[in-house]
Amino acid sequence: DQQVKQNSPSLSVQEGRISILNCDYTNSMFDYFLWYKKYPAEGPTFLISISSIKDKNEDGRFTVFLNKSAKHLSLHIVPSQPGDSAVYFCAATPKLIFGTGTRLQVFP
Amino acid sequence: GAVVSQHPSWVICKSGTSVKIECRSLDFQATTMFWYRQFPKQSLMLMATSNEGSKATYEQGVEKDKFLINHASLTLSTLTVTSAHPEDSSFYICSASDSSYNSPLHFGNGTRLTVT
Repeated sequence: DQQVKQNSPSLSVQEGRISILNCDYTNSMFDYFLWYKKYPAEGPTFLISISSIKDKNEDGRFTVFLNKSAKHLSLHIVPSQPGDSAVYFCAATPKLIFGTGTRLQVFP
Repeated sequence: GAVVSQHPSWVICKSGTSVKIECRSLDFQATTMFWYRQFPKQSLMLMATSNEGSKATYEQGVEKDKFLINHASLTLSTLTVTSAHPEDSSFYICSASDSSYNSPLHFGNGTRLTVT
């Protein structure tokens, strides 16, 4: 049973535009959410997080939105850059459960 | 920033042999370390959680006798895949936490294990 789902396996966005990566979860006990970025053959690196008591957290080009009623969160990257091309995982705690990832490709 | 070193980055072994993977926190004390496995095109699956000086907590479906985890110090955890079989071939990643609940994890670069 996949408790954290990223239904879009891939996303292609033009440089300068907004990238929106989505994540849905099923367990209402999750209280903290994180986004990680992963390049091939490397470990994930932390990007941004949000507590369940908030609905938005912003850090530079990255903004995460949380809709608890819908059990949905999204990561917005604006403006997108070619260096953002990677696989993005959302994760939820208390037990760190990862989504299946979305491969983002930003093209010039 | 915090760094986690994982070694080896890749290993090929014969079926029936054992392989040890090391995970070290280089500039912080990792009270908790996690081991994940990633199958192709799938998510990172948590295998076990280890706390320094105590037995690891394994996730449901993970054989603790097959995947031996030792967290002997605050900077080192090891995963030993015992009597490896081809189906154990996968990408294994460790991560470490230095402090509080929900502090972002620092990940190693992973180990690609191929069992022939």
